[in-house]
Formats: sequence, structure tokens, C-alpha cells
Amino acid sequence: NAGVTQTPKFRVLKTGQSMTLLCAQDMNHEYMYWYRQDPGMGLRLIHYSVGEGTTAKGEVPDGYNVSRLKKQNFLLGLESAAPSQTSVYFCAIASGSSGNTIYFGEGSWLTVV
Amino acid sequence: QQQVKQSPQSLIVQKGGIPIINCAYENTAFDYFPWYQQFPGKGPALLIAIRPDVSEKKEGRFTISFNKSAKQFSLHIMDSQPGDSATYFCAASKSTSGSRLTFGEGTQLTVNP
Repeated sequence: NAGVTQTPKFRVLKTGQSMTLLCAQDMNHEYMYWYRQDPGMGLRLIHYSVGEGTTAKGEVPDGYNVSRLKKQNFLLGLESAAPSQTSVYFCAIASGSSGNTIYFGEGSWLTVV
Repeated sequence: QQQVKQSPQSLIVQKGGIPIINCAYENTAFDYFPWYQQFPGKGPALLIAIRPDVSEKKEGRFTISFNKSAKQFSLHIMDSQPGDSATYFCAASKSTSGSRLTFGEGTQLTVNP
């Protein structure tokens, strides 16, 4: 998972609390993504960014917000956490268009009670 | 709507066996089909990928077979080893989507010694 660092790795939240996950890359890639992984559902795209200052919605964006103020950082925010957001969150990066290798971070385990 | 469907959900083989994992896709605009390998507690890592202009690609013990007319592709692992025990995900993307991957549900492979 070279070059992609996620913090925190583990977090327990109470319903209604807010938090931010940070993804930092040192590979100078343009594209960054946030996926969530749930048993039996593979990885689903939450939000993504094609460059500094840009963000876009993925497949399951509801309940999340993102920001890409600096090229190397992509933040995922939960404004009011719900138990349905208990999941493993993965940040990923890619250099450009389809076919370029996507590198994933090691994941952030979030539990909402 | 699951655009990439993967089977089986789990698979157990003996060392030396040839596990086969299958995926089917719906969107004919997809033009890049990677397979990812994920070990417990780690992020997915690219294993092998294929484009629809070829019907087969081999990298070491891993082979992708691609059937464009049937909209199906599969992963074969030759001479499987206990170290291959992991979760495998197929995925698909299209050139215009900025490397956004749509994942299958995942297959948990166990290779017994």
C-alpha cells in the first residue's frame, strides 16, 4: 500500500457524532477516491476527486462529505454518524485515466454504536 | 444495481488445485478489467488486468480469460498455494470514468496444504 496513508486506523463513534478520515499520498497522483467495504458487497465508491479543489459523488455518497484542498490530501467527513456507516473505509489513488494502477491504503475501521 | 457480479462467494481448494473465479458485467462501455487480491487487514492490491482486445492474459500462475460477447471474465490460479489464500475482487472501469472502479462482491479463497 505504498504511498497512501490513512488516519485513523480504528475509531469507535457514537450515533450522531462527527469525524474526519484523512488520506495522504506521497506519489503526486491526480486522482483520489474513498471506498467503503462491507461483507458480501465488495468495495463501493463514496466520493472521488480528479484534482486539487475538485470532488464528485460516487455510488454511495449520502451521509458523507469530502474535501481536496491540497493535492496530496483527501478528507472524508461524517457529519452525523449512523450505525449504517459502520464499515471499513479505503482511500485509493491513481495517476490518471482508466487503466492506470490504483493504489489502496490499508483501511480505516469505523464502528458506529 | 450491481454492474459486476462475481461468483462463487467462497472457494476451498487443495494445494496444487486450480481455483476459478468468475465475473459478469453489464455495461458494454467497460474497457478495463482488473483483479485485486486482498489479505486480512490490508488494502486490495492489483494482481492482473486485461483489456477487451485480448481473450487471455497470463502473469506467472495467474491467468485472466475474457469473453467479450458473453460479457464475462474469469481468474484462474495455477498450482495454487496456501499463500494464495485471500479475498479476490474483480472490477471494471471505462476510459471516460477516470479510473473509477466498479467492484464485484469478492471471493474468499482458501487453499489447504
